[in-house]
Amino acid sequence: DIQMTQSPSSLSASVGDRVTITCRASQSISSSLNWYQQKPGKAPRLLFHSTSSLQSGVPSRFSGSGSGTDFTLTISSLQPEDFAAYYCQQSYSSPLTFGGGTKVEIK
Amino acid sequence: EVQVVESGGGLVKPGGSLRLSCAASGFTFSKAWMSWVRQAPGRGLEWVGRIKRKTEGGTTDYAAPVKGRFTISRDDSKNTLYLQMNSLKTEDTAVYYCTRMNYYHGMDVWGQGTTVTVSS
Repeated sequence: DIQMTQSPSSLSASVGDRVTITCRASQSISSSLNWYQQKPGKAPRLLFHSTSSLQSGVPSRFSGSGSGTDFTLTISSLQPEDFAAYYCQQSYSSPLTFGGGTKVEIK
Repeated sequence: EVQVVESGGGLVKPGGSLRLSCAASGFTFSKAWMSWVRQAPGRGLEWVGRIKRKTEGGTTDYAAPVKGRFTISRDDSKNTLYLQMNSLKTEDTAVYYCTRMNYYHGMDVWGQGTTVTVSS
């Protein structure tokens, strides 16, 4: 099974900050990496598929990059509505696996 | 509106069974791959399994912790996905989400979730 490791597990940031979350796969997954945002008590929302393909309705301050084993989710200027948990997920092979999550909190 | 709505959660004793349903609307259900994802209280997301569309064999894949105990099925005539859960364990306690998988196997439609509690 492919293991997905996210870092950090949590971070504190202020509105306007640039935030970067990293996801590492235990083996190469090409660009088969998806990112989700989850707010408390809500279902997750797909932000990106295939590493960097932005889902409709997702603000352009979000960006995704990487390939192979190392991937990054960046929020260029953190907004109040961005405080949430973020998860990466590989869709390269079954079983599909998620990273442990990164909780973005208000500083 | 594209949506999926789960139902069937509840309280069940260890060793018991439960069947979850997921009603889909707003898209061509028969053409979609579908998955179940769960989230234990205070924990992260865990993929449970998926089912391909019938034109691709309707085959299923499962995560190791549920393989042999859980079964995913679909009724395209009713636009409904199912998760049959047998031999339930306390560690199966979670919110269970039904999801649609897009072409790239990202999960682009999520339900609100249904809560399963396994406890004596």
